[in-house]
Amino acid sequence: DVKVTQSSRYLVKRTGEKVFLECVQDMDHENMFWYRQDPGLGLRLIYFSYDVKMKEKGDIPEGYSVSREKKERFSLILESASTNQTSMYLCASSLSPFREQVFGPGTRLTVL
Amino acid sequence: AQKVTQAQTEISVVEKEDVTLDCVYETRDTTYYLFWYKQPPSGELVFLIRRNSFDEQNEISGRYSWNFQKSTSSFNFTITASQVVDSAVYFCALSEDDMRFGAGTRLTVKP
Repeated sequence: DVKVTQSSRYLVKRTGEKVFLECVQDMDHENMFWYRQDPGLGLRLIYFSYDVKMKEKGDIPEGYSVSREKKERFSLILESASTNQTSMYLCASSLSPFREQVFGPGTRLTVL
Repeated sequence: AQKVTQAQTEISVVEKEDVTLDCVYETRDTTYYLFWYKQPPSGELVFLIRRNSFDEQNEISGRYSWNFQKSTSSFNFTITASQVVDSAVYFCALSEDDMRFGAGTRLTVKP
């Protein structure tokens, strides 16, 4: 069963901490994406990557960075977590930009 | 910039009713793709359908059907004879070179 896995379902961090959210896919997909989901705002694109070591900013990249050292892994980094980064984070991958995305289960991050 | 609008924030129906979820999009491109995803209470988004901008044929899959109209920039989703298991948040999305999602419509189907 093909899938996207995320390192944690729930995470609690303190303001100012560096936070790593890991995402791994086993479908050999070229494209990977990070979104955050907030009530009433839908899914907002943070960063995406079309290839290893490649990254592109989405709509809300401020306060985030990403890393893609291997094709199957795409990490989201919060350099200094803030309370307004409390959210559900969703990782997804796809074969191409025009194909459907496969989503992971999400990580609910709380920053205190 | 591309944009997707799902004007219905929440819809509540009684089982066996038909329900239509609206999706309106904006794009300057002639080539684009439209999607619907379902997010059940468990949280994981599930892909339902993909439609390219050159294919305006409506599609039916069991109780689900989709109406794509380029003239009105709409891609609406109808569930016929709704069931409790259809309760979820439904997202419409538009892809030109990356994907943009609408805010979602929360559908509650009551027994």
